[in-house]
Amino acid sequence: DTAVSQTPKYLVTQMGNDKSIKCEQNLGHDTMYWYKQDSKKFLKIMFSYNNKELIINETVPNRFSPKSPDKAHLNLHINSLELGDSAVYFCASSPDTRQPQHFGDGTRLSIL
Amino acid sequence: ILNVEQSPQSLHVQEGDSTNFTCSFPSSNFYALHWYRWETAKSPEALFVMTLNGDEKKKGRISATLNTKEGYSYLYIKGSQPEDSATYLCASPFQGAQKLVFGQGTRLTINP
Repeated sequence: DTAVSQTPKYLVTQMGNDKSIKCEQNLGHDTMYWYKQDSKKFLKIMFSYNNKELIINETVPNRFSPKSPDKAHLNLHINSLELGDSAVYFCASSPDTRQPQHFGDGTRLSIL
Repeated sequence: ILNVEQSPQSLHVQEGDSTNFTCSFPSSNFYALHWYRWETAKSPEALFVMTLNGDEKKKGRISATLNTKEGYSYLYIKGSQPEDSATYLCASPFQGAQKLVFGQGTRLTINP
């Protein structure tokens, strides 16, 4: 029944490692997003995909690479993790920006 | 300037009192205005999406108004209850309406 599900919920790893976060939505939405909740609790857009095509790529280090195998999935791969990558990452989906976004529960990434 | 600003940043209200807070956004090229409720340790949940100047939406004890000409929206909570304690986010689409920019939120605490 979960509309937007992301895994894992918690990720603790060492600096320098590579990790992935997965996101899936069963709402039939065309657009999916990755957000980062920064240290000041701001939600900032990282990437947006519409029907598997990248449409928004904010100023994000190229260690972050999104991948959308189909319009129901948007995964986030992070290479060479750094301490500053520690944050909560949220996946979301919507039909378009005039419709509400549906968020996953977030992935808390902690870099040791 | 892609600024969505909210005030106040935090608010303490006595249970039973009514309250309101503000979201301001650029009035040019307006597309939509979103309100979300974000409880601690959960994900943001959509309250309203408003698109028309003068629009007013209501959900239970929560309502919102929109003034697109002057670039602001108010969120009202009538008869606050402890379960209303949360951060309330507003957001507006920019960049050809493809990107949702969030305000920093108003953190509401209801004192029993």
